[in-house]
Amino acid sequence: QLVLTQSPSASASLGASVKLTCTLSSGHSSYAIAWHQQQPEKGPRYLMKLNSDGSHRKGDGIPDRFSGSSSGAERYLTISSLQSEDEADYYCQTWGIDIGVFGGGTKLTVL
Amino acid sequence: QVQLVESGGGVVQPGTSLRLSCAASGFTFSSYALHWVRQAPGKGLEWVAVISYDGNKKYYADSVKGRFTISRDNSKNTLYLHMNSLRAEDTAVYYCARSSSGTFDAFNIWGQGTMVTVSS
Repeated sequence: QLVLTQSPSASASLGASVKLTCTLSSGHSSYAIAWHQQQPEKGPRYLMKLNSDGSHRKGDGIPDRFSGSSSGAERYLTISSLQSEDEADYYCQTWGIDIGVFGGGTKLTVL
Repeated sequence: QVQLVESGGGVVQPGTSLRLSCAASGFTFSSYALHWVRQAPGKGLEWVAVISYDGNKKYYADSVKGRFTISRDNSKNTLYLHMNSLRAEDTAVYYCARSSSGTFDAFNIWGQGTMVTVSS
């Protein structure tokens, strides 16, 4: 069964960096994912598509502070030089032949 | 610019039906697969359904299978979600989203959402 696992929460200080993790279920470590950001009271925004080799393609207007990387079944989103507007929920998303899957989301708090 | 705009949400009673629409602009509508995703109050994102670029393939989450129908009209650049036998647990903001290709792929465009409340 295709499942994505995320930690419910994370925090980091203003100006620092944070690395969020999304883990693919067993047998699915070759899958690409996408990262999405949802700021409070807003709809989701596409950040990037992240492949298993770590290559990624960001959406239009996404700052260089956002980057992605991969290791095995883990997919990472790194945000550097944290700003207050980065405080948001972050969701990973993947897909199978006939199904779409979201992780449970990570709530990022900027201290 | 590239845009998806949902409409059709509202307050309905359990057991009734509702149709959501998603109007697209700024891209070649008939080249991309499209999805519906929902978010219950205070909860995470839940994938609901997908339709291929040509409308020939449709897939649904188990939670809505047999009750919801996704469709598209490529001549009108519009995506639809027909929802029947609505339940309280269908209460959510419904978003349409575009795949980055003609089939299942990363969602790279999102609409702003439309709220559906199922309550007696």
